[in-house]
Amino acid sequence: KNEVEQSPQNLTAQEGEFITINCSYSVGISALHWLQQHPGGGIVSLFMLSSGKKKHGRLIATINIQEKHSSLHITASHPRDSAVYICAVSDDSNQFYFGTGTSLTVIP
Amino acid sequence: KAGVTQTPRYLIKTRGQQVTLSCSPISGHRSVSWYQQTPGQGLQFLFEYFSETQRNKGNFPGRFSGRQFSNSRSEMNVSTLELGDSALYLCASSERTAYSPLHFGNGTRLTVT
Repeated sequence: KNEVEQSPQNLTAQEGEFITINCSYSVGISALHWLQQHPGGGIVSLFMLSSGKKKHGRLIATINIQEKHSSLHITASHPRDSAVYICAVSDDSNQFYFGTGTSLTVIP
Repeated sequence: KAGVTQTPRYLIKTRGQQVTLSCSPISGHRSVSWYQQTPGQGLQFLFEYFSETQRNKGNFPGRFSGRQFSNSRSEMNVSTLELGDSALYLCASSERTAYSPLHFGNGTRLTVT
């Protein structure tokens, strides 16, 4: 069983749509991370959160510690948002566990 | 500040050989962690170094090792390469304070033939 489960695995959206990616985890965590990976490999850290909600531009990340669940929302999606989004959690010893990623394609 | 630099970007090796990958962290970052990414297994944590000490290790065989130097630069070594070691190897640096995000390099793509 994976420590981090993401859904959906693949997502296709029309430009402008509201997108939600979900992440559930089963281990105790000190922080949850949302990462973005574009073709070619580079990974960018979008959010790191341990409670509540964070917003950066059109991206919003929420976490519910009691339910061990996080969501990443993209408002007014754009083709440049097309990427793989990866949920990761770090425990108290800074060990990381990763979800398998959600491949998002936004069609113009 | 310069970002995380990994060298080389691409590497082709033969089964049985060994390989060393290098990672230069962002200036001031003392934590460097390494990850393996494959299509089948996704991203997997290899190990983390902080102040020249290995702090964490993922579930990988002893063929995978690393070290960190006093300037925080890190190297990862894989000995006796196997075909299954073909992957994108990523390193990330952070300040390793509470809630410090990871900053990833562009990775080294290793192909084992």
